[in-house]
Amino acid sequence: GDSVTQMEGPVTLSEEAFLTINCTYTATGYPSLFWYVQYPGEGLQLLLKATKADDKGSNKGFEATYRKETTSFHLEKGSVQVSDSAVYFCALRGPNAGNMLTFGGGTRLMVKP
Amino acid sequence: GAGVSQSPSNKVTEKGKDVELRCDPISGHTALYWYRQSLGQGLEFLIYFQGNSAPDKSGLPSDRFSAERTGGSVSTLTIQRTQQEDSAVYLCASSPLGGAGEQYFGPGTRLTVT
Repeated sequence: GDSVTQMEGPVTLSEEAFLTINCTYTATGYPSLFWYVQYPGEGLQLLLKATKADDKGSNKGFEATYRKETTSFHLEKGSVQVSDSAVYFCALRGPNAGNMLTFGGGTRLMVKP
Repeated sequence: GAGVSQSPSNKVTEKGKDVELRCDPISGHTALYWYRQSLGQGLEFLIYFQGNSAPDKSGLPSDRFSAERTGGSVSTLTIQRTQQEDSAVYLCASSPLGGAGEQYFGPGTRLTVT
C-alpha cells in the first residue's frame, strides 16, 4: 500500500537558517502530494501541494518540488523564523486510495532566536 | 469563511462508556473524513463520506467505531464501550469536489479514556 517516510525530528535550527525536511513516498500511479503544518495546540493546516511531476508547491516562503524519479517531496525554506516552530507532515493522496490521505510520521521543527 | 468545526474540544470519559464526537464541515464541501492522531500510531484514516455514496469504512479499527453523516453535512463519530487505547485526538476534515484532493482540517477533539 501507499506510504510516506519523513526524517525523524526534532530538527533544531537557529533563526534565519536554511531548512530541509526530507519526505519520500511509495505509491502506485501518480499521487498528489501535500505538506501540512501543525502549530502548538492547533489543528492541521495545508501548507502547500503539488499534483504532478516537477510541480513546485510554495507558500509562506516554503517550497517543495514533486520529484517522480526519486519519489520525493522535500520541504525547504531559505530562512526560518521562530514562528515556524511546529510539526510538519508530508502526505499523499494516491489515485487509487479512495481519496484518504496517507501521512508521514511528522517532523518537529524548533527554531531558536 | 468558517472552517471545519468540531465539538467537544476535549472529552474525558470512563472506560466502557460511549462517546459521540461531532464535526461540521466547510459549507459546500462534499467530502468528509475522520482521522485519529495518537502518539504511537501517528495520523490514521478512519472513515470517508462522499456525497450520498456509501462511506468508505476501511480505516475503522473495530466494530465499536461507527460514523454517520446527516443531510450531507454534519457528521458524528461514535465510539462504543470506550477503551484506554481509544485515547487520541480525533480530527475531521472536509474537501470540495474536484481539486487536488486537499483536505481542510478542524481543530480536533482530544479524547481521554480513564
